Amino acid sequence: GDSVTQTEGQVALSEEDFLTIHCNYSASGYPALFWYVQYPGEGPQFLFRASRDKEKGSSRGFEATYDKGTTSFHLRKASVQESDSAVYYCALCTGFASALTFGSGTKVIPCLP
Amino acid sequence: GPKVLQIPSHQIIDMGQMVTLNCDPVSNHLYFYWYKQILGQQMEFLVNFYNGKVMEKSKLFKDQFSVERPDGSYFTLKIQPTALEDSAVYFCASRRLDWGGAEQFFGPGTRLTVL
Repeated sequence: GDSVTQTEGQVALSEEDFLTIHCNYSASGYPALFWYVQYPGEGPQFLFRASRDKEKGSSRGFEATYDKGTTSFHLRKASVQESDSAVYYCALCTGFASALTFGSGTKVIPCLP
Repeated sequence: GPKVLQIPSHQIIDMGQMVTLNCDPVSNHLYFYWYKQILGQQMEFLVNFYNGKVMEKSKLFKDQFSVERPDGSYFTLKIQPTALEDSAVYFCASRRLDWGGAEQFFGPGTRLTVL
């Protein structure tokens, strides 16, 4: 079946560090790819999506590019802020209105100065 | 932005009892979903629902589970009877019908504890 792999369970960063969260997928067909962010006590919030190879999605300074060749959709942000502390989920969807298949999530935590 | 509401936020019940989780989806959305997240684990799809019917369900959607949205009111997930392994946070989501509205909007979740 379809699957999403996020290799980092947790990432500790200082303010203004560069953030990368790796996401690789396995799916039949041509999935749409998503990033969601979840803050404590809340449900996942949609960040952005990409639907075709080489398409870049972006929002709030975060971005990711759909790469069909490497089956990846890595999340990046140039300068992370304390307010970015949250759990980030990569997800895919293979059909119209189908279920989202989520990765295991990556928790971004601030390093103390 | 659009909000999905879930009632209650927490529910504690004894094993074997029935529980109904309520979801108030975004007003112009027509597709509805339930997901389950056990503490520390990833979010997993249970079921989706459109036009009064279950469209797709996972193997986690046991026979004890049912969903409905009577007369455009709450979209509900009923578990009868409950089991210990049903303890989890249940998230409702909804989305628009058109191709442009691919993203699902999630509620804050209902934390269900089965004793």
